[in-house]
Parts: sequence; C-alpha cells; structure tokens
Amino acid sequence: EAQLVESGGGVVRPGGSLRLSCAASGFKFDDYGMSWVRQGPGKGLEWVAGINWNGGGTSYEDSVKGRFTISRDNAKNSVYLQMNSLRAEDTALYHCVRGGDYRNGIWFSGVGYDPWGQGTLVTVSS
Amino acid sequence: DVVMTQSPLSLPVTLGQPASISCKSSQSLVYSDGNTYLNWFQQRPGQSPRRLIYKVSDRDSGVPDRFSGSGSGTDFTLKISRVEAEDVGVYYCMQGTHWPGTFGQGTKVEF
Repeated sequence: EAQLVESGGGVVRPGGSLRLSCAASGFKFDDYGMSWVRQGPGKGLEWVAGINWNGGGTSYEDSVKGRFTISRDNAKNSVYLQMNSLRAEDTALYHCVRGGDYRNGIWFSGVGYDPWGQGTLVTVSS
Repeated sequence: DVVMTQSPLSLPVTLGQPASISCKSSQSLVYSDGNTYLNWFQQRPGQSPRRLIYKVSDRDSGVPDRFSGSGSGTDFTLKISRVEAEDVGVYYCMQGTHWPGTFGQGTKVEF
C-alpha cells in the first residue's frame, strides 16, 4: 500500500524558514511526480508545488514562487519543501501527495493526487 | 486560474437517500488529448483527502459503486445513490486540465 509521511512542520516567525520532508513507501517512488498541497485554517485545498520523477522539472503556485523550493532524493524515497520568507498567509496543513507531471513543458495535474499524507502543520506567527 | 464553483456548500442528507453535488468550472476542462480531467475527493472528519473519482467518472479502487461522477465541458456532478453513515465529510472537485490544478470550495455533507 502506498503511503506518505510528512514531518518538519512547526511554529515560525514571519520571515523565517522551515524545511518539510515526506517519506514515501509502498510504491516505486521514481516512477511518479510528487506535489505539495496545503489546507489553510478554515480554507480549502491549494496546490503549492510539484516536481517531476527525476527532479529535472519543478513548478510553483504564484504566491510561493521565489520563496519555496521543492526537491527530491529518489535514493531515499523522499521529497522536500524548503520554505523561506514565510508569511502569515502560509499558515496551513501541508500535505505531501503523489501526482502531477510535466506535459509539453507545463506542470500537469491531470488525474490529481493519490494518496495523500496526513499532513504537517506550519504556523507562521509573531 | 480556473475557478471551480461547487454547490451546495452544505448538504444535509438522509441515510439511504440519494445526494448530489454540482461543480462548475470557469473554462472547459477538455484537454488536448481529448480527456476531461475533473476529479473528486472526499475528506472525512479528521482525515486527509482521498480521491474517489478521476477523469469525470472513473472510480478509484475500493470506492463503493454508490458513488458516481458525470458531466462534460464545464458542468459536473457527483452522486451518491444511497447515503451511508461513513459518507459524512467534505467533498471537493478538482480540475487537472489547466495549470495550476484548482479545487472547489468544498461541500460539507452531514446528517
């Protein structure tokens, strides 16, 4: 059974940094693109970033571009999200999800994401 | 970005009765390969979302056949033929055709 387990969330001041990690198991990790999706308090779901199977292609939602960096280590079956210059509006539960890829030079979500990790909570507050 | 609009946002249901959720997109979701990438997710209380249906009407493995998806272009529907207790939660539609993939606001299904 495919599983994703996130870690690294916490409380950070505005302008601070955090690095989220996601450990994958139960599937051939380097066959899949991976993404991060966040869910703000009382808010819906928002795709944040995606990375293709070999890390050669990444894509970001506009509000995090230049501040967040997604990466992966296929030898460790892991994907990461480095978050810098954090803002209050970045406060959310961050889910690691399997899915997405590049098509014609554009990140393509296609059939969406499955499975989802349980999420790691990021709180940005002074 | 493509805006996904769900209705209703709150859906009172009755055990054993049918239920239906509408999802409308601000642009056609037909992709250049001919497929329509409209997906549905269920989020039970205290749990992470899970995908129920992809490409409008294909059910994920293990999803009961009381769940069905339909629609085309910009108008889509998720139907539950007979609601069971385990179906309470929030349901989201999501389009994967256009960058970035976007979700609806969610529909809360409750008794």
